[in-house]
Amino acid sequence: NAGVTQNPKFQVLKTGQSMTLQCAQDMNHNSMYWYRQDPGMGLRLIYYSASEGTTDKGEVPNGYNVSRLNKREFSLRLESAAPSQTSVYFCASSQETGVGFGAFFGQGTRLTVV
Amino acid sequence: AQSVAQPEDQVNVAEGNPLTVKCTYSVSGNPYLFWYVQYPNRGLQFLLKYITGDNLVKGSYGFEAEFNKSQTSFHLKKPSALVSDSALYFCAVRPNAGNNRKLIWGLGTSLAVNP
Repeated sequence: NAGVTQNPKFQVLKTGQSMTLQCAQDMNHNSMYWYRQDPGMGLRLIYYSASEGTTDKGEVPNGYNVSRLNKREFSLRLESAAPSQTSVYFCASSQETGVGFGAFFGQGTRLTVV
Repeated sequence: AQSVAQPEDQVNVAEGNPLTVKCTYSVSGNPYLFWYVQYPNRGLQFLLKYITGDNLVKGSYGFEAEFNKSQTSFHLKKPSALVSDSALYFCAVRPNAGNNRKLIWGLGTSLAVNP
């Protein structure tokens, strides 16, 4: 039972570089999310996808793009990394049409932009 | 605006003592309520939920939470804390009214259980 898998686990980027964070879930969930976690800020939603083929902005979308490649995969792209994007990124999925079991989280990607 | 508050940044308790981590919310309707735990360098793990029914819900690792509708609170409790319970705890609420049904998160409470 893999659940939600994120890659990579760690990444260091130089300012201006681009990268894509990968996320895949094997629970057949409709909804997927990208969060960032910063000290004292809790979890902030970057983007989410309520279903395959749809994406919407969350609280802090600037500087990011997403792709819901299929029902399983939801990637987050940083086109031109900035030091302010140093954070821990979490992907999550949930079955919104169900009773509401909350969200399942990946292990996180620790990104440092220098 | 809908919100979730965890009024304490940090809670310190001695091992063996009861613990409470507080959560209050401002969400219309009858939301679903959740607690998650995050151990160092790990992702969040689901701990327990309240959907409907009995106000006291039991979850993993001996934790329970009490839903109080009049006070709009969902405090996390454990009768006897363990050092291994030291972690970051997040309360989350999912509205069940309107179009926005995404989880609303508290900022987290760091629990330190001292030996």
